[in-house]
Amino acid sequence: AQSVTQPDIHITVSEGASLELRCNYSYGATPYLFWYVQSPGQGLQLLLKYFSGDTLVQGIKGFEAEFKRSQSSFNLRKPSVHWSDAAEYFCAVGDSTLTFGKGTMLLVSP
Amino acid sequence: GAVVSQHPSWVICKSGTSVKIECRSLDFQATTMFWYRQFPKQSLMLMATSNEGSKATYEQGVEKDKFLINHASLTLSTLTVTSAHPEDSSFYICSARPGSNTEAFFGQGTRLTVV
Repeated sequence: AQSVTQPDIHITVSEGASLELRCNYSYGATPYLFWYVQSPGQGLQLLLKYFSGDTLVQGIKGFEAEFKRSQSSFNLRKPSVHWSDAAEYFCAVGDSTLTFGKGTMLLVSP
Repeated sequence: GAVVSQHPSWVICKSGTSVKIECRSLDFQATTMFWYRQFPKQSLMLMATSNEGSKATYEQGVEKDKFLINHASLTLSTLTVTSAHPEDSSFYICSARPGSNTEAFFGQGTRLTVV
C-alpha cells in the first residue's frame, strides 16, 4: 500500500528565510510525486510534480523539490519565503488516485 | 493548466435533506473523476472513483448509499450527500485528469455544513 509521511505538522519560518518541508513516501513502483498548496477554505493548487527524469523539479512560485529514491523522500524547498506563502502544504503519491500526507502548515513570521 | 470547476463553493443544509455537488472539467474530457473528503485540520481522503458510464468505485468505509455518485458525461460528475447529518459536514474536493500520465487537477472544493 502506498503512504505518505509529512513529519512536521507545522513550521514557522521568518520572511526571507529558506524553507524545507519534508516528505517521505512508500510506494511499490516508481512513484509519481506531487506537492500541493492549500489556502484556508480553498482547493488545492499544484506546485510541482515528479514523474521521471531529472530528480530536481522546479515548480511555480519559486518552489523546487528533489526526488531521492534512496531515502524515499521528496522534500519541498524555497530559498526565500514570502508572507504570501503561508498556507498548508500537502505531499502526495500515486498515479490515478492520490494518497496524501497529513499536511504541513507553514507560518511566516515578519 | 486544465480547469476543474466545482459547484457550489459552500452550502448549508438542514439535517435529513440531500445536497448535490457538481464537478466539471471545463476544457478537457475525463472518463474518471475522483472525490475526496477533508476533515478540519486533516488530510484529504479518497472517497470514491467516478467512472463515466458505469458505477463508481468506493473506498472501504464509504457508504455508497449515503454518497451517491453519478458520472453522466465526460465532463461532469456529481456527488449527492443523501439524508445529510451534522457529521457529514466537511470539505469535499473533486479532481480529474486529462490523461493517464498527467497530474490531477482539483476543483476549488465545497464546504458542506449540515445544521
